[in-house]
Amino acid sequence: GNSVTQMEGPVTLSEEAFLTINCTYTATGYPSLFWYVQYPGEGLQLLLKATKADDKGSNKGFEATYRKETTSFHLEKGSVQVSDSAVYFCALTQGGSEKLVFGKGTKLTVNP
Amino acid sequence: NAGVTQTPKFQVLKTGQSMTLQCAQDMNHEYMSWYRQDPGMGLRLIHYSVGAGITDQGEVPNGYNVSRSTTEDFPLRLLSAAPSQTSVYFCASSGDGYNQPQHFGDGTRLSIL
Repeated sequence: GNSVTQMEGPVTLSEEAFLTINCTYTATGYPSLFWYVQYPGEGLQLLLKATKADDKGSNKGFEATYRKETTSFHLEKGSVQVSDSAVYFCALTQGGSEKLVFGKGTKLTVNP
Repeated sequence: NAGVTQTPKFQVLKTGQSMTLQCAQDMNHEYMSWYRQDPGMGLRLIHYSVGAGITDQGEVPNGYNVSRSTTEDFPLRLLSAAPSQTSVYFCASSGDGYNQPQHFGDGTRLSIL
């Protein structure tokens, strides 16, 4: 079945550091890929998405590129801020279904 | 805009009790779903609905019932709560069309003693 594997956290960075959170997936066909973010005490929000190979999703300084050859969708940001502290989830959908399959989440803490 | 509203935000139950977690959305979304979030497990799909009168099971449906009598509401019922159902529950909805973003409520934190 479909699955998502993302790097285990927690990840602790200093402000303005470079961020990478790795995400790889297993799926038949051509899934759509997403990053969701969960701030403390809140529900999840869509951060960015990519629906086909080589697409780059971007939002709020975060980027991720859909790499079919490596089945990856790594999240990057060049300079993190304290306000980026949250849990980040990689997820996929497939075959026109709205059902999301999530990774286990990576907690990011950014210190001033 | 209210978006997706979940009630209650917190609840403590005793084993064997029943309760209903409420979820309502005001965006006229057809697709609604329930997830549970457990430490180290990410979010797992419990039940989902593609429209009023239509529901289906997700990855972890046992111990939960749902119904969808209106487009707006999608309640989740625990008929006989068990400690293994202690979790944070999220409701989500999305509109028609491929790859529409899912909108999540703020969650219900449920503890079963």
